[in-house]
Amino acid sequence: ETGVTQSPTHLIKTRGQQVTLRCSSQSGHNTVSWYQQALGQGPQFIFQYYREEENGRGNFPPRFSGLQFPNYSSELNVNALELDDSALYLCASSLVVGQTPEAFFGQGTRLTVV
Amino acid sequence: SQQGEEDPQALSIQEGENATMNCSYKTSINNLQWYRQNSGRGLVHLILIRSNEREKHSGRLRVTLDTSKKSSSLLITASRAADTASYFCATDNNNDMRFGAGTRLTVKP
Repeated sequence: ETGVTQSPTHLIKTRGQQVTLRCSSQSGHNTVSWYQQALGQGPQFIFQYYREEENGRGNFPPRFSGLQFPNYSSELNVNALELDDSALYLCASSLVVGQTPEAFFGQGTRLTVV
Repeated sequence: SQQGEEDPQALSIQEGENATMNCSYKTSINNLQWYRQNSGRGLVHLILIRSNEREKHSGRLRVTLDTSKKSSSLLITASRAADTASYFCATDNNNDMRFGAGTRLTVKP
């Protein structure tokens, strides 16, 4: 167990709908990153939040947005869902110390868009 | 876009054999990490090697890093059936981790 929890574990949505995924970071961690992992692929970096501010973003459109709260929990919001958004969404928390941020991953949310 | 590329994509060995996976990357890095993922679940951190290190050991794991060739290797010695999983390398540049597509390792009992 990494201490990082994600909810829900599975979700089915219809194309065009909006979805919110949640992540509770490991205690004391001030950085959270979100990843999208399609079947058979490696995780793709969506964005990172550090102390409630976006701290880097991958190649994802603006309909992917996020929030980090004062208790360092986080949300990933996806608007106007598309079929290709079906994937495992992973969050990872870390305590940024120097340049060696080991990341602790949650078990992921499996999103299916139909 | 992905940074690391693992090789091979899939590897099948017998229990007790060694497994070697390779990773190549494109840009300069601060460090390189290896993660393991059991089917459809979260990633587990295995080992981190800094850009100024050449080799690192952790239990049955041995990682090498060649920054001149922009490559790394992960060796698992005396493999066990429980080592069956996907293995990913991830490069860290300014706290932005980029993963490869992974190597799917199957260890047959």
